[in-house]
Amino acid sequence: GAVVSQHPSWVICKSGTSVKIECRSLDFQATTMFWYRQFPKQSLMLMATSNEGSKATYEQGVEKDKFLINHASLTLSTLTVTSAHPEDSSFYICSASFRGSNQPQHFGDGTRLSIL
Amino acid sequence: GNSVTQMEGPVTLSEEAFLTINCTYTATGYPSLFWYVQYPGEGLQLLLKATKADDKGSNKGFEATYRKETTSFHLEKGSVQVSDSAVYFCALVGGYNKLIFGAGTRLAVHP
Repeated sequence: GAVVSQHPSWVICKSGTSVKIECRSLDFQATTMFWYRQFPKQSLMLMATSNEGSKATYEQGVEKDKFLINHASLTLSTLTVTSAHPEDSSFYICSASFRGSNQPQHFGDGTRLSIL
Repeated sequence: GNSVTQMEGPVTLSEEAFLTINCTYTATGYPSLFWYVQYPGEGLQLLLKATKADDKGSNKGFEATYRKETTSFHLEKGSVQVSDSAVYFCALVGGYNKLIFGAGTRLAVHP
């Protein structure tokens, strides 16, 4: 079946560092990728929608200069948390889908980001 | 707007008990409905889906039927196992293929 790989799975870094998270679709071409944030024991919050070759669409309240998204190919999207601070610590999850509104999203295993 | 409401957890069951996790939705039209499962420290896995009214999705002993009359998509399993302990999310697909999730229901199954 379809597989989405997310890397790294866990990162700890100092405040002020920028962190890049990669999301790859391994066996299909993902026309759309989504980035979510999940706080402990809560549901997923959609941050942005990323379409290959175009700018990401951010949800209300998400700082686009803080969370840079690049979707340069049909198999790779990246999320960069710029100048990360402790409040950015969270679990970040990506998903990918092929074109078509009824196609299910396939999720990566998530990245746990801890900013000291 | 579109929304999904799930029963609050945690749900605690003994092994081999019957499971029901309620899910109701509000939507314009008839969106596809999904159940996702999240094991500790992992991302979400698609458990099952239904794309139209009266469809029944099933996988690994879990079932859910798309009920248009009651706008529901309840998850059921006849006999749960300890390995089913996880968080279960009901979701519908809205505009631009965006998923709208319920709050999630934590299931704990004890031997």
